[in-house]
Parts: sequence; C-alpha cells; structure tokens
Amino acid sequence: DTAVSQTPKYLVTQMGNDKSIKCEQNLGHDTMYWYKQDSKKFLKIMFSYNNKELIINETVPNRFSPKSPDKAHLNLHINSLELGDSAVYFCASSQDHSDLEQYFGPGTRLTVT
Amino acid sequence: GESVGLHLPTLSVQEGDNSIINCAYSNSASDYFIWYKQESGKGPQFIIDIRSNMDKRQGQRVTVLLNKTVKHLSLQIAATQPGDSAVYFCAENFPGGYNKLIFGAGTRLAVHP
Repeated sequence: DTAVSQTPKYLVTQMGNDKSIKCEQNLGHDTMYWYKQDSKKFLKIMFSYNNKELIINETVPNRFSPKSPDKAHLNLHINSLELGDSAVYFCASSQDHSDLEQYFGPGTRLTVT
Repeated sequence: GESVGLHLPTLSVQEGDNSIINCAYSNSASDYFIWYKQESGKGPQFIIDIRSNMDKRQGQRVTVLLNKTVKHLSLQIAATQPGDSAVYFCAENFPGGYNKLIFGAGTRLAVHP
C-alpha cells in the first residue's frame, strides 16, 4: 500500500497555464506538507496543513494555492505558471504538527516550457 | 570516505568501506535533527534522527553524531553497500511556533563495487 501518493508523477505544460497536483496519504496523519526541490536538489518547505488548517506558509508567490478538502488530502494549485516553477514538488505527512518524522510522496516533476 | 557536505557534494566509496557524510547546520537553537536518504526518482526517506540533548545515536548500520559546539552533524554508514547510493540530506528543526524542517543542500553518495 502506498503511504503518500501524488498525481501526476510528471507534468509538462506551457508558461501561463494553470495546473494542479494532488496528494493523498493513507497513514491517518493530521499534518501534511508541500515541498519544492529545485534542479540542485535543494528541498524547501512551501506549506503545511494541520487537520485542514494552514499552519505554515513560507514566502511563496500567491500564484500557489494549497487546498485541503480533508486531512488525508492536500492539493496544490498553481496559476500562471512560469519557467522558474519547474521543479520536483513533494508532498509529505506526519502524525501531527509536533511530530517531525515526515513521510514523503514520490514527487511530481513539473516542467514549464 | 568522508564528505564536507556543502563543499563536496559527491562522496565516492568502495563497497564495504565505512562512509561519513557531514553537515553544518545553521541555527544554534535547533532542537532536533534528521537524516534523510533520497534515491533517484523517489521521495526522501527517513533514516535516523537525534535530539539536541544527545550527541550520538545508533541505528542499524548508521550512526548520527551531533556536535553542538561547532553546529555539526554527521552520518556514518558502516559497511557501505550499493543500495546505499543516494543523496543524503540533513535537516534541522527551527523551534518556536510550528515545527519546520530546514533541509541542507545534500550530499550524493556513490558506492562502487
């Protein structure tokens, strides 16, 4: 069974388009995260939700909007895609916001042309 | 073999040798540290963690050492195997408010037969 899953695995799109990445965890965790990993493998947190409530919002352009319909799902919508948005986006989850052992999904490679 | 992390992003070792991956963290107030392993095309995977009130913690074939005086963390892998080939990240938790992991730049470990 996949603990943290993301769709799609690959996403190729043109500048200016709007796209969404979906994440689901079946671990019963309360807290979910989105990370961005750039071409140099640098991994940076973008958002964190605890039980559907936004608790961490790093300095991310407001073109990025996370949505958590329930605590098992955290989606990431990106408007007006730019070349610099090309990266691998990882979803992760943890038992709760005080538990730092995070379980990562397989990642979504976004390529903006 | 030994790496200084940010300055030597690739560490090459022979199968069966011990590996040491180093990490310099940034915040003297960080209270928790984790090592993650990321294999090609996959998400980061938890290896071992250590709290700031400890200076050493051992797992199966892995040992993490923490030197708070110089803000240095290392991961030692005994009897390195080809399956250990991956990028290794250290991450620190900035206390205060909601917990947030800050990841280091990563070190690639290449194991040669």
